[in-house]
Amino acid sequence: ETGVTQSPTHLIKTRGQQVTLRCSSQSGHNTVSWYQQALGQGPQFIFQYYREEENGRGNFPPRFSGLQFPNYSSELNVNALELDDSALYLCASSLAYSGNTIYFGEGSWLTVV
Amino acid sequence: QQPVQSPQAVILREGEDAVINCSSSKALYSVHWYRQKHGEAPVFLMILLKGGEQKGHEKISASFNEKKQQSSLYLTASQLSYSGTYFCGTVNAGGTSYGKLTFGQGTILTVHP
Repeated sequence: ETGVTQSPTHLIKTRGQQVTLRCSSQSGHNTVSWYQQALGQGPQFIFQYYREEENGRGNFPPRFSGLQFPNYSSELNVNALELDDSALYLCASSLAYSGNTIYFGEGSWLTVV
Repeated sequence: QQPVQSPQAVILREGEDAVINCSSSKALYSVHWYRQKHGEAPVFLMILLKGGEQKGHEKISASFNEKKQQSSLYLTASQLSYSGTYFCGTVNAGGTSYGKLTFGQGTILTVHP
């Protein structure tokens, strides 16, 4: 139990649609990161939010966007869904300090058909 | 560039030991180890900060050689519950994206009775 909660757990979307995934970070954590994990691979960093601003982005196109709210919860939005976007999307929370533990939520399984 | 893990897979009998290695070409601030079971989110095992410290927790311990940018995870007297995919995640030195982990490709560990 990491205290990081994500919703929805599973969802199916059609190619071209848009999706919003939500994350509540662990109490007191001010940094939220999002990762994409395709089957059989390690998680890939999408971006990070600190104090409601994007603070670091991985190699993902602009159709992947996010928000962080004053209570440090976060959303991941993906527009114009493609079949390759099918993956487990993980939210991770931490304090803004490199030496701190990064805790993952249970993830949202997205299938694009 | 992602860290390289070795071996890619290891099969053990209960009670045997294993070592999983993680090597990076970049200067690191920290190394994070996670275990992920099929269909679940990564579970935090431990974090090692630059300084070459070794950490331990029950029968799982790890070391970090800052000069070589290498970390090793030691699993002793393995149990069935140790089965899963082990990932190392690295945080580069000098960065400001505190939540940005770059993951290796994973090591699949299978423990048989």
